[in-house]
Amino acid sequence: ETGVTQTPRHLVMGMTNKKSLKCEQHLGHNAMYWYKQSAKKPLELMFVYNFKEQTENNSVPSRFSPECPNSSHLFLHLHTLQPEDSALYLCASSQEGAQGYTFGSGTRLTVV
Amino acid sequence: GIQVEQSPPDLILQEGANSTLRCNFSDSVNNLQWFHQNPWGQLINLFYIPSGTKQNGRLSATTVATERYSLLYISSSQTTDSGVYFCAGANTGNQFYFGTGTSLTVIP
Repeated sequence: ETGVTQTPRHLVMGMTNKKSLKCEQHLGHNAMYWYKQSAKKPLELMFVYNFKEQTENNSVPSRFSPECPNSSHLFLHLHTLQPEDSALYLCASSQEGAQGYTFGSGTRLTVV
Repeated sequence: GIQVEQSPPDLILQEGANSTLRCNFSDSVNNLQWFHQNPWGQLINLFYIPSGTKQNGRLSATTVATERYSLLYISSSQTTDSGVYFCAGANTGNQFYFGTGTSLTVIP
């Protein structure tokens, strides 16, 4: 596979569930990102990892917990979410000093 | 962070028409990308264009960095061009700030 792969593509979860989103990049990039896209709002940067170290947490509630075990994999662990957390969650990767982002296809999350 | 304003917010075109999408930035950027988001949510990188002009088929983009704006031109539009177009800019590191997008519908 090439590019950035996200799984699952769709997820429906209850407010008491625990689930995880997975992102894998096959581009040799050293930075990975989680973005949240809600209807009619700009993409919101959630977390940034550079060389596996978290460098940015944009005031994201603790019910979202990122994990970056290596430079190719990024997870977003979810627990006790709220209905307003329903959104498209996008993962991206980039190479420090190089040109821009490559995005995955996203996970469409619905919290019921 | 950087504020990104995109115009127009919505656009409906007849197939074959041309259009120009604009992106204004509140601060100078040294990284700038244009993306197309398809109906399935995938963001496709169209151009990496911090300055100057680039062309790729029926699409071209121009960034005037000193005036903090960028333009995306779509010529001879096709129904497959429909979707949402985003611009994004960064001035430190590689953390991009996105606009709210232009939603384009091309009708046959």
